Amino acid sequence: DGGITQSPKYLFRKEGQNVTLSCEQNLNHDAMYWYRQDPGQGLRLIYYSQIVNDFQKGDIAEGYSVSREKKESFPLTVTSAQKNPTAFYLCASSITSGPYNEQFFGPGTRLTVL
Amino acid sequence: QQQVKQSPQSLIVQKGGISIINCAYENTAFDYFPWYQQFPGKGPALLIAIRPDVSEKKEGRFTISFNKSAKQFSLHIMDSQPGDSATYFCAASRGTGTASKLTFGTGTRLQVTL
Repeated sequence: DGGITQSPKYLFRKEGQNVTLSCEQNLNHDAMYWYRQDPGQGLRLIYYSQIVNDFQKGDIAEGYSVSREKKESFPLTVTSAQKNPTAFYLCASSITSGPYNEQFFGPGTRLTVL
Repeated sequence: QQQVKQSPQSLIVQKGGISIINCAYENTAFDYFPWYQQFPGKGPALLIAIRPDVSEKKEGRFTISFNKSAKQFSLHIMDSQPGDSATYFCAASRGTGTASKLTFGTGTRLQVTL
């Protein structure tokens, strides 16, 4: 089955710790994205990547870092510099060459800071 | 900052009724307007999308109405069913052939009652 997988589904972190969220896709999509979802605020873009070894900051990149060493993988690290990291994190991918930017989303990771 | 304003925040509709969700945008360069549906604990999934060269698009019970001059678009769900109960997000983006960034509305939580 083609799709996007995110792991873990739930993640608990102590204050001051860095954590890494996994995102893998087997859709052969070039572009990948990370969003943060908070109640009443919709989806906000953290980082996105159009090709391997290249990525750009989104609207709320502070306190986060990413890498894109493989086409299939786009891990997100939530660093201790992120002051309010508790949220639902969504990874997405899309074909960059298509006429419409249809994004396919993974099932999400819920991060809770203890 | 580019914005997409979505209303209402929540909506309760009786089974068989019509659900209407509205969005307004500011950036006239936007040329792709998708709607995403999200069930609790899941990632959003594309429901229906429209380009500004048409004023309406219908897929089954779901219709997008688009008013370019007013910079508004809306989602109509005909014959609403309890299974339609979910959160709906409108979005907009510009540019094709690249990893265009989607700007999302804040979401509408729809509840369809029996």
